[in-house]
Amino acid sequence: GNSVTQMEGPVTLSEEAFLTINCTYTATGYPSLFWYVQYPGEGLQLLLKATKADDKGSNKGFEATYRKETTSFHLEKGSVQVSDSAVYFCALWQAGTALIFGKGTTLSVSS
Amino acid sequence: NAGVTQTPKFQVLKTGQSMTLQCAQDMNHNSMYWYRQDPGMGLRLIYYSASEGTTDKGEVPNGYNVSRLNKREFSLRLESAAPSQTSVYFCASSELAELYEQYFGPGTRLTVT
Repeated sequence: GNSVTQMEGPVTLSEEAFLTINCTYTATGYPSLFWYVQYPGEGLQLLLKATKADDKGSNKGFEATYRKETTSFHLEKGSVQVSDSAVYFCALWQAGTALIFGKGTTLSVSS
Repeated sequence: NAGVTQTPKFQVLKTGQSMTLQCAQDMNHNSMYWYRQDPGMGLRLIYYSASEGTTDKGEVPNGYNVSRLNKREFSLRLESAAPSQTSVYFCASSELAELYEQYFGPGTRLTVT
């Protein structure tokens, strides 16, 4: 069945450092891919999405490119801020199936 | 707009007690979901309702029941709580056309002793 694997955390960075959170997926066909973010004490919210191969999703300085050849959708940000501290979830969706989440990666940014 | 609201925010139950978690959305969405979030497990789907009048099991439905009361409200009931149901519960909603773009409530932290 479909599944999502993302790097285990926590990821601890200093402010203005470069961020990469790895995500790979297993699916038949051509799923859509997403990153959700959960700030402390809140529910998840959609951060960015890519619905076909080679698409790049971007939002709030975060980017991720849908790479079918490596079945990956890594999240990147050039310069993180303290306010980016949160849990990040990679997710996969195909028509007729439920949204499938990875286990989440905790990011902690210090000033 | 309040978005997705959940009550209560916190709850402590003893083993065997029952309770209902309430969820409401004001975005006129057709689809609603209940998830549980456990450390190291990510989010797991308990039940969902694709549209008013329908409900279906997700990945971990055992020990739970749901009711889609109307288009706005979707409740989750624990008939006989067990310590394994200690978790954070999230309700979410989405449009039928964009099932992947789900809007989440703030969660209910449930402890079963």
